[in-house]
Amino acid sequence: AQTVTQSQPEMSVQEAETVTLSCTYDTSESDYYLFWYKQPPSRQMILVIRQEAYKQQNATENRFSVNFQKAAKSFSLKISDSQLGDAAMYFCACTRVAGGTSYGKLTFGQGTILTVHP
Amino acid sequence: DTGVSQDPRHKITKRGQNVTFRCDPISEHNRLYWYRQTLGQGPEFLTYFQNEAQLEKSRLLSDRFSAERPKGSFSTLEIQRTEQGDSAMYLCASSTRPGPGRSGELFFGEGSRLTVL
Repeated sequence: AQTVTQSQPEMSVQEAETVTLSCTYDTSESDYYLFWYKQPPSRQMILVIRQEAYKQQNATENRFSVNFQKAAKSFSLKISDSQLGDAAMYFCACTRVAGGTSYGKLTFGQGTILTVHP
Repeated sequence: DTGVSQDPRHKITKRGQNVTFRCDPISEHNRLYWYRQTLGQGPEFLTYFQNEAQLEKSRLLSDRFSAERPKGSFSTLEIQRTEQGDSAMYLCASSTRPGPGRSGELFFGEGSRLTVL
C-alpha cells in the first residue's frame, strides 16, 4: 500500500519568484516512481515532472525541479521564475514499478492550490 | 483534437437514476484508467483496462459501478441507482503499455462531473 501526503493546502508566490511545494510518501515497494501533476481550473491534469526512485539525481524540467530525499520519503517540487500560468492545483503521486516499468495505478496526495500574484 | 475526451462534461441527476460516462482515449494507447475525484481531494483509482481486458478494480468500485471497454478503444463507466455520495468528478486517463523506452505516462481527460440531487 502507498500513501501520499501534501501538508500545504494552499501556497502563494509572486510572479518571477520561487516556490516549493512539499510532499511526503510512504510505500512498501522497493521500486517506484514519483510524480508531480498540475491541474488548472476546469482543465485536464498534466504531468509536470517524474522521478524514478532508483535514480539519485533529482529530476529537472525547465523551471521545475524536485528535491528527492529517499531516506526521508520526501519529494518536493520547486518552481522557479513563477509565471501566472503556473497557477493551478498541484498533486504529488506515487506508483509502484514492476519489472522495470511503471504500473500506472497512481496514489495521489490531497493537492496544493498554488496562487501566483502579479 | 488527439487528446483524451470525455462525455458528458457535466451530468446532473436525481438519486436512484442510472448514469453513463464515455471516455475516448488517445488512439494508440492500449491502457485506459478511471479515477474519481471529490472536491478538494486527489484522484482515487477505480479501475483500469489493457485493451479490452479489465485488469484491476478498486474496492471503491461497488456493485453499482460497472466499466467496459468492449473493443479495446472507448470505455464506458455506468453507475446504477446513483446516491448523493457518488457526486464527484470522474476522470479518464490513457497510456501506452509501459516498457523499455516507453514511460507509460498517463494522459488525462477533462473529466465528467456528476451531481446527484
